[in-house]
Order: sequence, then C-alpha cells, then structure tokens
Amino acid sequence: SYELTQPPSVSVSPGQTARITCSGDALPKKYAYWYQQKSGQAPVLVIYEDSKRPSGIPERFSGSSSGTMATLTISGAQVEDEADYYCYSTDSSGNHLVFGGGTKLTVL
Amino acid sequence: EVQLVQSGAEVKKPGESLKISCKGSGYSFTSYWIGWVRQMPGKGLEWMGIIYPGDSDTRYSPSFQGQVTISADKSISTAYLQWSSLKASDTAMYYCASSPLTGAFDIWGQGTMVTVSS
Repeated sequence: SYELTQPPSVSVSPGQTARITCSGDALPKKYAYWYQQKSGQAPVLVIYEDSKRPSGIPERFSGSSSGTMATLTISGAQVEDEADYYCYSTDSSGNHLVFGGGTKLTVL
Repeated sequence: EVQLVQSGAEVKKPGESLKISCKGSGYSFTSYWIGWVRQMPGKGLEWMGIIYPGDSDTRYSPSFQGQVTISADKSISTAYLQWSSLKASDTAMYYCASSPLTGAFDIWGQGTMVTVSS
C-alpha cells in the first residue's frame, strides 16, 4: 500500500524557520495537503494543493513540492505553532487517501 | 456557519454494533465528499474512507474495507460510520471531514470518541 514518510520530530527556537518534509512516490503527480493538530483538537488545514493557504491561516505558513517531496515551511515559528503536523495525498490511482505518520513540532 | 457536528461519545462492549453520525450544515451537503478518519490513542491520523452524498459513491481504504460501513442520508445532510461487531482495537477518536471551502478536506467535525471495553 502507498505510504507517505515524515520525520517524527522537528525542533526549532522561536523565530527560526521550521521545515517539515513529506515524501511519497506519487507526489510528482498528486497534490500534497498539510494539517496542524494541537493536543485534544481536531486537525486544521494549513496548506492545500501543495502551496495554497486557506483563509485565516497566517502567512508564515507556506508549502512547496518538488519531485517526490513536499515541504511545509513555517517562517518565524512561534510557540503557538507547537503541534503535530500531518501531510496527506492520494496514491497514483487517486482512489486512496493516505496520511503521513505525522511530525511533532517543538518550538522552544 | 459551515460546520460538521458529530454524535456524542460512546462506550460499548466487544461484539456490539454501533453507528455514529456526522451532520453537515451551512453548505450544499450533497456536493462535497465526506471522509472518515480514525485516530487511535496517542497515534496518527488514518483515512478510513470517503462518500459522496449526492450519489452515495463510497471508497474504502484497504485497511478498513469490510471492517466498517460508510453511508449517508442526504435528506437530513448526515453521514454515518457503522460497525457490526466492535473490537477493543476499535477504541479511537473518529473524525468526519468535508471540502466545501477549498476543495480540500477543510472542515472537520469535533470528533466522536468510541471506547470498546468489556
């Protein structure tokens, strides 16, 4: 079955840039999407279609994709950005949605 | 307001059946896919399957095919996730999500906690 691979954890100091990667064989042809999930809360969409930002999401969140890797970048990370981040995409058939394993972002 | 509201927490015994719900409002419920997502305690998100309420086209993730049933009643803008025989390993938070704002799964329900214990 199709898999998306994320690093388990990323740690930055406040104000630094955090980059979270997501790798998958179908990413050259399929969009990546990113969610933020804070403890005890439902996920929130922060990036869709590789690089678009939903209304209400701060500009410090951006996304990119190149080849088999998509990247979520948080420029000037803040303490309130501490959360788990998940990428998702579809397999090459487009019929099955898959999440990455999630990345715990620590900002301290 | 565009929102999904899920049914409340459930505590069940192994072998029992269960159907949980997800009601959409503030948008055209029949025009957007609804997805169900499992999150086991302390673990990541897993797509279970999706349904298009307009015609009930349903697609299951391979891991969940045959384990659950996803359905929808478009007359009351509600999607369902059901089990015929629960196991302890079904203990998890279950979320529904839909895509009326961006085309991605951009609105989520508050989650339904299902606990299966003897």
